[in-house]
Amino acid sequence: NAGVTQTPKFQVLKTGQSMTLQCAQDMNHEYMSWYRQDPGMGLRLIHYSVGAGITDQGEVPNGYNVSRSTTEDFPLRLLSAAPSQTSVYFCASSYSIGPTVDTIYFGEGSWLTVV
Amino acid sequence: KNQVEQSPQSLIILEGKNCTLQCNYTVSPFSNLRWYKQDTGRGPVSLTIMTFSENTKSNGRYTATLDADTKQSSLHITASQLSDSASYICVVSAGGGNKLTFGTGTQLKVEL
Repeated sequence: NAGVTQTPKFQVLKTGQSMTLQCAQDMNHEYMSWYRQDPGMGLRLIHYSVGAGITDQGEVPNGYNVSRSTTEDFPLRLLSAAPSQTSVYFCASSYSIGPTVDTIYFGEGSWLTVV
Repeated sequence: KNQVEQSPQSLIILEGKNCTLQCNYTVSPFSNLRWYKQDTGRGPVSLTIMTFSENTKSNGRYTATLDADTKQSSLHITASQLSDSASYICVVSAGGGNKLTFGTGTQLKVEL
């Protein structure tokens, strides 16, 4: 199983550029989410989706956009990159969310630097 | 505000030794608590998941405990190996379970 696949692994952007981080899972999971991980902080939720066509904002959504056209894919778009968006981004998925003990699977991460 | 605090921030132990990592949380209402292992440059990997009614869960040499009354959890690693060198993250789920609060992790280094 490939699990959760993120691309690219590394990216350098100039301030103001836009880009899309790709995330795909092959486990038929309904729930997918994007997190960012910054030094000295726990992972923070950017956006999440409970199924195809349904997305919602997390804790730090500003400057990011998502869509969920299929169960498998959940891309994260940076609209106009800023240095504050320099971070490591993780995509995650699980069968469901709620009072459940479903395992949450994470991708390998995307290292983004905005200069 | 929901919070998860982990201690120590970092730890160095010799190969073969045991260690215990701590997690204190102020998350309400509690749903479940998870421990993850994150190798450098990799994504977090699930070790254990515990609900309110569980006070111990093992995964090989990893044993997690949960005291829901004191809102504390620990992760005990037995007979450490070099490959145990990683960050260990405590994650607490609140409410209906879709509100995850992540700790900042304990950085463990196992040396020869």
